[in-house]
Amino acid sequence: DAGVIQSPRHEVTEMGQEVTLRCKPISGHDYLFWYRQTMMRGLELLIYFNNNVPIDDSGMPEDRFSAKMPNASFSNLKIQPSEPRDSAVYFCASSLHRDGYTFGSGTRLTVV
Amino acid sequence: GNSVTQMEGPVTLSEEAFLTINCTYTATGYPSLFWYVQYPGEGLQLLLKATKADDKGSNKGFEATYRKETTSFHLEKGSVQVSDSAVYFCALGPGAQKLVFGQGTRLTINP
Repeated sequence: DAGVIQSPRHEVTEMGQEVTLRCKPISGHDYLFWYRQTMMRGLELLIYFNNNVPIDDSGMPEDRFSAKMPNASFSNLKIQPSEPRDSAVYFCASSLHRDGYTFGSGTRLTVV
Repeated sequence: GNSVTQMEGPVTLSEEAFLTINCTYTATGYPSLFWYVQYPGEGLQLLLKATKADDKGSNKGFEATYRKETTSFHLEKGSVQVSDSAVYFCALGPGAQKLVFGQGTRLTINP
């Protein structure tokens, strides 16, 4: 299995632009998680899905953030409009039952 | 609610030294416990896990035992290598659902 695949690996965008981050989970995993990691706040859970349905989005910082999972093999996280304080590494992870998460390699987002 | 407390870093050791990174938790129910490792520029990788009290997880020379009486899951390795330099995260949860992560401990091993 190729693991959890995230794209792009790096994204540099200007403040006010829309940003879309993509994730392909491991086939057969029924949970998908979006995390944000910064030096100041560490690892933060933004939202997670079970069987493509959003379960908990209480970590989404503002209405500027949205996430969808239209099918079992794809999810995206959108930020519109982006701001410099959104600069971080965004991780997607998937899991099945009690095996723990498998993380993707992350997308490093820089908003200038 | 559930929470995890890790020893604060950074931790710096010499090669072949003994490593302990402390992790304690508070939890309701019977969660699983995990250690993840993050190498520079990469995502977190599952290092080891334990799903019930007294279980010992082990991988790559690292070990941790699920101690319910002391609510701890300390990570140990008998002889560290330069390649073990990374950030280590303790986590707990029901496994598939929302995990609670510690703040991470940065480990640097000097040759």
